[in-house]
Amino acid sequence: EVQLVESGGGLIQPGGSLRLSCAASGFTVSSNYMSWVRQAPGKGLEWVSVIYSGGGTYYADSVKGRFTISRDNSKNTLYLQMNSLRAEDTAVYYCARNIVEAAAGDYYYYGMDVWGQGTTVTVSS
Amino acid sequence: EIVMTQSPATLSVSPGERATLSCRASQSVSSNLAWYQQKPGQAPRLLIYGASTRATGIPARFSGSGSGTEFTLTISSLQSEDFAVYYCQQYNNWPRLTFGGGTKVEIK
Repeated sequence: EVQLVESGGGLIQPGGSLRLSCAASGFTVSSNYMSWVRQAPGKGLEWVSVIYSGGGTYYADSVKGRFTISRDNSKNTLYLQMNSLRAEDTAVYYCARNIVEAAAGDYYYYGMDVWGQGTTVTVSS
Repeated sequence: EIVMTQSPATLSVSPGERATLSCRASQSVSSNLAWYQQKPGQAPRLLIYGASTRATGIPARFSGSGSGTEFTLTISSLQSEDFAVYYCQQYNNWPRLTFGGGTKVEIK
């Protein structure tokens, strides 16, 4: 069964750090384009970061320089290292698999087809 | 950044009726648009990509249309399990994805 399971959320003080994990089963993280998406309480969805199958990474401006996406191929797990946390980072964080076909330098995207159940991060003193 | 605006914020519909949800992009995204459904306490579920192609396992009562800056998600005959929040997402600016603010479809 194709599945993503997040962990690592919790209550953290402003300025603190937290690392989220997303364990995959049924497919290989390193062969896919994997994203983190967050949802603040009562709000909509916000894309946070992506790691390409080739290892390239991209970030939303709101987290650039503070968050780092990575993966451990041996554990088939995706991570999000979050530093200098702010109150506005409070959200449910989802990991998701992007359906992407890359050909001749072009990318063909078909949406996020597998999502985890989410892990809650609360930044508060 | 491409801004996605959804309307209405809330749509009250009776079971069996048609629901029409709108999504507007601040600039053309061609057909690079997806729709997701999210129920309370659950992760989003992919419904539509390429503006009009249903994802695997999505019932035919869900249909998408539009291109450029104006898009529509139609649910032809609402079932009880369809009451949820729906989000559009542009990926024309991949990898910088942006979502709309959502439309809540509630029971009338």
